[in-house]
Amino acid sequence: DSGVTQTPKHLITATGQRVTLRCSPRSGDLSVYWYQQSLDQGLQFLIHYYNGEERAKGNILERFSAQQFPDLHSELNLSSLELGDSALYFCASSEKRGAPSSYNEQFFGPGTRLTVL
Amino acid sequence: EDQVTQSPEALRLQEGESSSLNCSYTVSGLRGLFWYRQDPGKGPEFLFTLYSAGEEKEKERLKATLTKKESFLHITAPKPEDSATYLCAVFSGSARQLTFGSGTQLTVLP
Repeated sequence: DSGVTQTPKHLITATGQRVTLRCSPRSGDLSVYWYQQSLDQGLQFLIHYYNGEERAKGNILERFSAQQFPDLHSELNLSSLELGDSALYFCASSEKRGAPSSYNEQFFGPGTRLTVL
Repeated sequence: EDQVTQSPEALRLQEGESSSLNCSYTVSGLRGLFWYRQDPGKGPEFLFTLYSAGEEKEKERLKATLTKKESFLHITAPKPEDSATYLCAVFSGSARQLTFGSGTQLTVLP
């Protein structure tokens, strides 16, 4: 158990809908990262938040957005869903207060499996 | 753009048959190379971080090594429970994000 929690575990929805995925980082971690993993694309970095502020963006679609709240949990919002958005979505956390380093090891949550029908 | 290539894509071993997985990388300013293990439908599990060429780290039957162009994950006398996909990732100062390889799917037969 990495200490990172994600809800829900599974999500089934229809095209055009909007969903919100939630992530709680390990206790004390300030950074949250979001990744998408599909069969044909592998594990792709989406976005990184550090202590409430956006720090880096990867190949994140404009239909997707994220935020990190004062209690450090994060949400990934996916809108206007398409069939191709079906994937596993992982969040990871790192960087404890007093030990900041963007290249610390990241600890991954169990993921949310999104199915768009 | 950072690039990570893992080989082989899949590897089948008999229990006790040692082997190595390869991770070749092209980055501008390597800050760290990471190995993860991923079981089907689960999140990647952190194994090792390597920061500089010549560094080695060990954990049970696994040993990771790093050169300036590649990293190896050596598996000594593997057991069926070592079956998983092993992912390699790099963090560079230019990209400021983890870039993952496509992984090596390891199957250890009893």
